[in-house]
Amino acid sequence: AQSVTQLGSHVSVSEGALVLLRCNYSSSVPPYLFWYVQYPNQGLQLLLKYTTGATLVKGINGFEAEFKKSETSFHLTKPSAHMSDAAEYFCAVTGGGYSTLTFGKGTMLLVSP
Amino acid sequence: DAGVTQSPTHLIKTRGQQVTLRCSPKSGHDTVSWYQQALGQGPQFIFQYYEEEERQRGNFPDRFSGHQFPNYSSELNVNALLLGDSALYLCASSLDNSPLHFGNGTRLTVT
Repeated sequence: AQSVTQLGSHVSVSEGALVLLRCNYSSSVPPYLFWYVQYPNQGLQLLLKYTTGATLVKGINGFEAEFKKSETSFHLTKPSAHMSDAAEYFCAVTGGGYSTLTFGKGTMLLVSP
Repeated sequence: DAGVTQSPTHLIKTRGQQVTLRCSPKSGHDTVSWYQQALGQGPQFIFQYYEEEERQRGNFPDRFSGHQFPNYSSELNVNALLLGDSALYLCASSLDNSPLHFGNGTRLTVT
């Protein structure tokens, strides 16, 4: 079975500041890991994914995440926050492959001017 | 190229009623998955359909059922609605070995 823990239900940053959203996972098999973003009244949009290979993964909108097996983490970062980044972010894991996703509870990113 | 489309966008039902939600997958996708997202929570997997069969199921009661049609579109049916069924229902489509693409969801309110 897989599980995801997202630390911090809300994260507040100033525009231009570093964004760091934390995700720790548990999986009994080599995982596939994902970050999705959800804007108000919309579905989920894939930001980036880790499957195998390079542990530093780059996604859309300047986001990236690093898979650290020893720490069972997959934290999401962006060097400089933009107002348009304000949304809810979900980390998700599968037990290998693109099978069913297990999501964390989400982190709401608030960006102030 | 249309993405995943869901209908209706919003729905209000009364306890005990039945509801049907609909989903058209992204063009070229053959697998449809349904998720329930309660307020303030992450989405939870309900079930997945492939080749018109339920391939996997999450921890949801039998009141939740589904169907996939030959054109890959899908329906989610919920019987005997409870207040706790109020949520955003997300449909996602995929092709084997590819990430899920989500629709914008159907907001179900049970009163």
